[in-house]
Amino acid sequence: NAGVTQTPKFQVLKTGQSMTLQCAQDMNHEYMSWYRQDPGMGLRLIHYSVGAGITDQGEVPNGYNVSRSTTEDFPLRLLSAAPSQTSVYFCATTNTGATEAFFGQGTRLTVV
Amino acid sequence: AQSVTQPDIHITVSEGASLELRCNYSYGATPYLFWYVQSPGQGLQLLLKYFSGDTLVQGIKGFEAEFKRSQSSFNLRKPSVHWSDAAEYFCAVGAKTSYDKVIFGPGTSLSVIP
Repeated sequence: NAGVTQTPKFQVLKTGQSMTLQCAQDMNHEYMSWYRQDPGMGLRLIHYSVGAGITDQGEVPNGYNVSRSTTEDFPLRLLSAAPSQTSVYFCATTNTGATEAFFGQGTRLTVV
Repeated sequence: AQSVTQPDIHITVSEGASLELRCNYSYGATPYLFWYVQSPGQGLQLLLKYFSGDTLVQGIKGFEAEFKRSQSSFNLRKPSVHWSDAAEYFCAVGAKTSYDKVIFGPGTSLSVIP
């Protein structure tokens, strides 16, 4: 049982490049979310989804797009990377009722 | 909208000493409250959670937390800290009515002196 799988684990991008961070879960959870973690800021919610075909913005959505075509996958897209998007990104799933969030191992992204 | 504050950015304690990490939340109704721990280079692991009922909740690794509605607090405690407890600790608040969003505090970094 893999839980929540994020790929890649590390990535270096040049300013202006685009890329997709992948997140897959095998827990059959409806709710999925993306956070970014920056020193002294904790985890900030970027986007979330309450089910296939439904997404919404979190605290810091600018510069990021998401889609949810299946229950299992919730990719995060950076359309034009900026140095301010250098961060560690975490994908999480939550069972209905928010009883617990399960996190992936994170993706460390550096934009130069 | 819900929010979480953790007043202590960094705490240092001696091994064997007691520990209390503070957490204050803002939410208009009864919140769901969580404590997570993150070891260096790792993801987050749930320590404990509160939804309703007994305001003193027990978690893994010998941690406990007490929900105090009057103070909007959910402080984490451990009677005797071990060197392996050195990590980053995050308090979080969830609200079922907000599409199950979970909002995290800024974290408290714990160092343990042998």
